[in-house]
Amino acid sequence: DTGVSQDPRHKITKRGQNVTFRCDPISEHNRLYWYRQTLGQGPEFLTYFQNEAQLEKSRLLSDRFSAERPKGSFSTLEIQRTEQGDSAMYLCASSPSGVQGERGYTFGSGTRLTVV
Amino acid sequence: GENVEQHPSTLSVQEGDSAVIKCTYSDSASNYFPWYKQELGKRPQLIIDIRSNVGEKKDQRIAVTLNKTAKHFSLHITETQPEDSAVYFCAASDSGYALNFGKGTSLLVTP
Repeated sequence: DTGVSQDPRHKITKRGQNVTFRCDPISEHNRLYWYRQTLGQGPEFLTYFQNEAQLEKSRLLSDRFSAERPKGSFSTLEIQRTEQGDSAMYLCASSPSGVQGERGYTFGSGTRLTVV
Repeated sequence: GENVEQHPSTLSVQEGDSAVIKCTYSDSASNYFPWYKQELGKRPQLIIDIRSNVGEKKDQRIAVTLNKTAKHFSLHITETQPEDSAVYFCAASDSGYALNFGKGTSLLVTP
């Protein structure tokens, strides 16, 4: 499968712990996005990278969340001091840049986080 | 920011019937409107999309229509099949990168 890979698929953590997720995009794609999806809702945009630069961050993203894409390839999303409200599916997507970038979205299968 | 409303939240049709899902958006600057299908436990997958310079687009049994004046767009699925059962999300983009999704429609096609 040469699509978008996310690791781990599932994560259960205790409230207050830190967690980190990884996303490996399609290699030719220089844009990478993180979304959060809760039960019964559509995905919500969190942040996006063009190569290694983080160009946009949603107001929904609290200071406890940080994302990196150090070499413009894989990305990590870290949540510090997790809260029960952070329980969700975290989706990564990648796309090529340019006017067709938003059209070329490929989503990963997501990391399901449960905070107990 | 952009706000996308989607209706209905659930839809049940008999196999062979048509299904229509409707979305409205708030930002007149939005210019890209994709539809995604998400099966249980799987990733969202793009099924059809339309840009604001086009009023209608069709791909086999699925079609999307866009009314820019009224700021609404719709997904039409004809001759529905049980494998069409899934959650469908509409989205709108005014930024060139971020998608603003609706809350989804759970479609059930019964044989």
